[in-house]
Amino acid sequence: DAGVTQSPTHLIKTRGQQVTLRCSPKSGHDTVSWYQQALGQGPQFIFQYYEEEERQRGNFPDRFSGHQFPNYSSELNVNALLLGDSALYLCASSLVSPTGELFFGEGSRLTVL
Amino acid sequence: DQQVKQNSPSLSVQEGRISILNCDYTNSMFDYFLWYKKYPAEGPTFLISISSIKDKNEDGRFTVFLNKSAKHLSLHIVPSQPGDSAVYFCAASGGDGSSNTGKLIFGQGTTLQVKP
Repeated sequence: DAGVTQSPTHLIKTRGQQVTLRCSPKSGHDTVSWYQQALGQGPQFIFQYYEEEERQRGNFPDRFSGHQFPNYSSELNVNALLLGDSALYLCASSLVSPTGELFFGEGSRLTVL
Repeated sequence: DQQVKQNSPSLSVQEGRISILNCDYTNSMFDYFLWYKKYPAEGPTFLISISSIKDKNEDGRFTVFLNKSAKHLSLHIVPSQPGDSAVYFCAASGGDGSSNTGKLIFGQGTTLQVKP
């Protein structure tokens, strides 16, 4: 049973460029959330997708956008990259659950130069 | 405004002893609290959770205690093992009054080192 898979694992971009990160959820999961983890910090919620719609969003600018496909996989897009966007981007999948338990992928390490 | 705080960046414990990791929160609307463990180059892994209506939850060597009046929770690991060495994150959900959203608010993490 494959867990949450993310691609690419590492990437380097320059300021002003755009990036797309991809995520396949754990088998049977229909909800995908994205988190940004800066160095030395805990993960910060970006947004969550369910039934191909953005259901909730954290305090991130519109440069951060996403998409969920009919097979529940998801993409995170970041436009006009800034140096401060350098971070580990984590994808998490879940079923609708009151406990909030999430299953995380290994993350995509983005470096913006 | 950091709603979930882990004030100890690191903790070192001898193998076989108890490890106690602490977490404080400010939002009284949180209804679930979770602990995640993270090894280098891996994503966070769920460890244990507790509902706000309970004050203790136990799973093997791991016990989480919740003190709502103090807005404080702690994770106890007994006995500690070298394989427990990792970064531990405290997280909370439901702070915006809604449940089932999967939006977790994380603390900054505590790095636990268990020495053989």
